[in-house]
Amino acid sequence: EPEVTQTPSHQVTQMGQEVILRCVPISNHLYFYWYRQILGQKVEFLVSFYNNEISEKSEIFDDQFSVERPDGSNFTLKIRSTKLEDSAMYFCASSELVGRGTSGGAVADTQYFGPGTRLTVL
Amino acid sequence: GQNIDQPTEMTATEGAIVQINCTYQTSGFNGLFWYQQHAGEAPTFLSYNVLDGLEEKGRFSSFLSRSKGYSYLLLKELQMKDSASYLCAVSVYNTDKLIFGTGTRLQVFP
Repeated sequence: EPEVTQTPSHQVTQMGQEVILRCVPISNHLYFYWYRQILGQKVEFLVSFYNNEISEKSEIFDDQFSVERPDGSNFTLKIRSTKLEDSAMYFCASSELVGRGTSGGAVADTQYFGPGTRLTVL
Repeated sequence: GQNIDQPTEMTATEGAIVQINCTYQTSGFNGLFWYQQHAGEAPTFLSYNVLDGLEEKGRFSSFLSRSKGYSYLLLKELQMKDSASYLCAVSVYNTDKLIFGTGTRLQVFP
C-alpha cells in the first residue's frame, strides 16, 4: 500500500539554525500538507500546497517557514532560523483532492500522514 | 470559531466495546474524520463521515449527527493493540486544513 515517507525521523539543531524537513507524498496525490504536534498537544495545520504554490497557511506559518516541491517527488519544509518553541513532531500529509466545497457539493478527501520528523531545538 | 471536544482519557478491558465521543462547533462543516495515533507515530486514517448515520468498517464504526454536531467512534472486541490516542478531525468548506481535537487516549487492560 502506498505511503507517505519522511526524513529524517529525528533532527536535533541549535537555536537559530536552518532545518529542512523532507517528505515524499503518495505518488498520485496532488495536495500536500504540513502539520505539527507539540508534545502533549493537538495536531495543528501549518500549510497546504497545490499546483506548485501555497494554497492555504495558518498563523503559525510565518516568514521563518517556507515550503517547496523541488522535483516531482519531494516536498520540503524549511525553517530558516529555528526557535526553541519550534520543537515538535512535524507531519507531512497528502491527499488526492482537497476539502473545498463547491455548489456541486464536493467532499473532503482523506489526508494520509507520514511517520513524522521529531525536531528538537536546543 | 472552530471548536472540537473529546474526552481526554478512557480505559476499557480487552474484548469489551468502547465508544469515544466527539462534539464540534464549526461553520461550513464538510466532513469528520477519525484517526488513530500510537505514541510517537503518525495519525492513521480510520473512518470518514459526511452524511448522518453509521459507517461500519470491521471492528470499528463511526457515527455522525450533523444537527447535533456530534460523532462517536465505536471499537468492538477490543485488543491490547487498540491502546492509542483517537483523534477527531473536522474538514470545513473552503479550507484545506483538518481541524483536530486534542485526542482521546484509550488504554486497554487485560
